[in-house]
Amino acid sequence: GQSLEQPSEVTAVEGAIVQINCTYQTSGFYGLSWYQQHDGGAPTFLSYNGLDGLEETGRFSSFLSRSDSYGYLLLQELQMKDSASYFCAVIGAGKSTFGDGTTLTVKP
Amino acid sequence: KAGVTQTPRYLIKTRGQQVTLSCSPISGHRSVSWYQQTPGQGLQFLFEYFSETQRNKGNFPGRFSGRQFSNSRSEMNVSTLELGDSALYLCASSSRGQDSYEQYFGPGTRLTVT
Repeated sequence: GQSLEQPSEVTAVEGAIVQINCTYQTSGFYGLSWYQQHDGGAPTFLSYNGLDGLEETGRFSSFLSRSDSYGYLLLQELQMKDSASYFCAVIGAGKSTFGDGTTLTVKP
Repeated sequence: KAGVTQTPRYLIKTRGQQVTLSCSPISGHRSVSWYQQTPGQGLQFLFEYFSETQRNKGNFPGRFSGRQFSNSRSEMNVSTLELGDSALYLCASSSRGQDSYEQYFGPGTRLTVT
């Protein structure tokens, strides 16, 4: 089967950097995706890592280490609008499995 | 391109009733996946339809069923509703299906069972 672990809550201040970790156990692994979901909204795709290393998209970066079954989402220059839930998702053969999500609260 | 649409957006039903939810994917997408999301929980996978065939199924009881039409629109049905079925039901479309690294989610249907 597949399982993912990510912290349930993270709090940071505006302008800071925050890292949300995701560890997984799976077979048939293709890669790791990250989604953002604002309260009451739909999840939206942020980033994908199919290979080891860092992917950068503006203020957001995502990292994957296949050998460690570990990835993270890095958010820089935090803004109040970044307050949301963040989900990692393991992409496998014919299946996507989502973590329980990390609620990020950005304080002024 | 129009996004994924779901109807209705909100629904209140009584225990024991049944409900049908609808999802229209992005034009050209042949895969529709359904998820259940409860407060503080992740997205629990219900099932995936691709070109009118159920291709994958999650660990939900048989009360949860679905189908997909030739235009890729999908419906999800829950029979004999229980209080625990209260949740946000999300559908997501993609061109490839569950192994797509990017799925496009609709706004969801919030179902309340009383």
